[in-house]
Amino acid sequence: GEDVEQSLFLSVREGDSSVINCTYTDSSSTYLYWYKQEPGAGLQLLTYIFSNMDMKQDQRLTVLLNKKDKHLSLRIADTQTGDSAIYFCAEIGRSSYKLIFGSGTRLLVRP
Amino acid sequence: NAGVTQTPKFQVLKTGQSMTLQCAQDMNHNSMYWYRQDPGMGLRLIYYSASEGTTDKGEVPNGYNVSRLNKREFSLRLESAAPSQTSVYFCASSEAGAGMDSPLHFGNGTRLTVT
Repeated sequence: GEDVEQSLFLSVREGDSSVINCTYTDSSSTYLYWYKQEPGAGLQLLTYIFSNMDMKQDQRLTVLLNKKDKHLSLRIADTQTGDSAIYFCAEIGRSSYKLIFGSGTRLLVRP
Repeated sequence: NAGVTQTPKFQVLKTGQSMTLQCAQDMNHNSMYWYRQDPGMGLRLIYYSASEGTTDKGEVPNGYNVSRLNKREFSLRLESAAPSQTSVYFCASSEAGAGMDSPLHFGNGTRLTVT
């Protein structure tokens, strides 16, 4: 079946890099996404990667995809206190209308 | 340009009461979605509407009904609320489907408590 897993919590010091990991089960996924949720708000799309790519860089964000191991990671360079939020990994399910979300990783950035 | 607007923001219901969560988008999107968010479980799709006039079940449809009233509005109804439906409900919309060119835009959520 379709399943996406993430660790629940990550704490880093301001200025360090953060790495949030995700594993997924559906090898037919065409796109994988990272969404960010700030307190009291809905989710916002941060970045995405197409399944035929290994890496995508977007300013401070680097997405790495290991398709063989079905492992996705999001690296945030020079993490700031404003990056404190919940980060969700998501994959497109077999229906292009169904986005399957992981449980979310809460990132806490300590000053 | 408000994006996706959900009402109400908070609601407390007694078991067995009914209510409708409202959602409207002003981006002329074709597809709309209702998700629920529970601690440690991420977001789970309740129902979606691929386009005006159609609705389909998601992962957890039991206990809910939806209406795609027009292109802008997609409501979620709880006919007889149960404590298990205590959750944060998110409405989302996208241009068409959930692909790369059609990211989901989320509302700010409705926090529902059923006692």
